[in-house]
Amino acid sequence: GAGVSQSPRYKVAKRGQDVALRCDPISGHVSLFWYQQALGQGPEFLTYFQNEAQLDKSGLPSDRFFAERPEGSVSTLKIQRTQQEDSAVYLCASSPGLAGGTDTQYFGPGTRLTVL
Amino acid sequence: DQQVKQNSPSLSVQEGRISILNCDYTNSMFDYFLWYKKYPAEGPTFLISISSIKDKNEDGRFTVFLNKSAKHLSLHIVPSQPGDSAVYFCAASGSGTYKYIFGTGTRLKVLA
Repeated sequence: GAGVSQSPRYKVAKRGQDVALRCDPISGHVSLFWYQQALGQGPEFLTYFQNEAQLDKSGLPSDRFFAERPEGSVSTLKIQRTQQEDSAVYLCASSPGLAGGTDTQYFGPGTRLTVL
Repeated sequence: DQQVKQNSPSLSVQEGRISILNCDYTNSMFDYFLWYKKYPAEGPTFLISISSIKDKNEDGRFTVFLNKSAKHLSLHIVPSQPGDSAVYFCAASGSGTYKYIFGTGTRLKVLA
């Protein structure tokens, strides 16, 4: 498929566990975004990568959240010592060029994280 | 502070009729607006967008209207089809920025 893919689709973690969520953007897309969507809310921005450079991490809720994109393609969002309030759907999006202007972001299916 | 607001959590429309989904924003720096459609267990799918230099953009059955003075946009779907039943999110971004600010969504149900 040519779209954005994410894995796993569902993750259940016990409070205090570390989790890693993977995003495979559309091939060749320069920009990659992570969003968090809580139940009944719209997606909220977490962080932005331009190729391998993380240009904005202002939306990460705490220092327990860490994202990387070491080779400018696949990205991983890691959450350490998960808490119940981390339960949400984590969405990855990519766009073809440098973000900004009218470059549309294309979303993956998301990973639903449930922290017990 | 919610910068993008969708005040109607849900909407039901008969098949074949017009669906109108509304969105209000507060930040006058926003200059690009989008609508996404989301089915259960899927990610948001891009539907249509509009730049602030326009007041209307049309794509098949979907038309987005922008009223900058009122800081209001709307999505019209004509005619509505059962397959249009989904949650619709309005999103906005500002010039030179990349963050999308999303509304909370409106669940549209098209009745056959």
